[in-house]
Amino acid sequence: AAGVIQSPRHLIKEKRETATLKCYPIPRHDTVYWYQQGPGQDPQFLISFYEKMQSDKGSIPDRFSAQQFSDYHSELNMSSLELGDSALYFCASTADPSNEQFFGPGTRLTVL
Amino acid sequence: EDKVVQSPLSLVVHEGDTVTLNCSYEVTNFRSLLWYKQEKKAPTFLFMLTSSGIEKKSGRLSSILDKKELFSILNITATQTGDSAVYLCAALPRGFMYSGGGADGLTFGKGTHLIIQP
Repeated sequence: AAGVIQSPRHLIKEKRETATLKCYPIPRHDTVYWYQQGPGQDPQFLISFYEKMQSDKGSIPDRFSAQQFSDYHSELNMSSLELGDSALYFCASTADPSNEQFFGPGTRLTVL
Repeated sequence: EDKVVQSPLSLVVHEGDTVTLNCSYEVTNFRSLLWYKQEKKAPTFLFMLTSSGIEKKSGRLSSILDKKELFSILNITATQTGDSAVYLCAALPRGFMYSGGGADGLTFGKGTHLIIQP
């Protein structure tokens, strides 16, 4: 069965650079969520989109922005990267916001 | 602020033992409680519990929700080394943006790190 696809899988950037993470939800899923998981931490919700509109916002820094496109894929744009942004970034999708969220494999971002 | 607390944080048992993982929550507009298993990669969905007192089972795993006492437990019987993982509990609030619920993010607990020794 098709799963959530994220790219890239690994990314190394330097401080103050920008990064763009991509997420392709499971086919026919119109709802996408972004989570950040630091080392040894639980996933922290960043932002979500439902039918291409921003739905909920969590602890997303102002330096980050995201959008969902007409094909339902989503991109997380991160600017002025800081060392503390080093983490695993998960995307999750669902066909119904009241149901379970399915997680992608994550993008491991390292900021040097 | 929504809060999910899991206990124990870490648990080491021998293969064949039965374990019970606990999760309590304080969530505004609670909808459902979800359990995920994470093995150094993406969280894998296990259960979603919305109604109180109804046990969900999948093989050796089972889970139940108590909405009056605001907690859930995850049981694993006859544990195997492959059960070693971090088990995450997460609360899903009832979205308010759309009738039927908005796409609200999950609030996770810190997880229980389960180690099964052969």
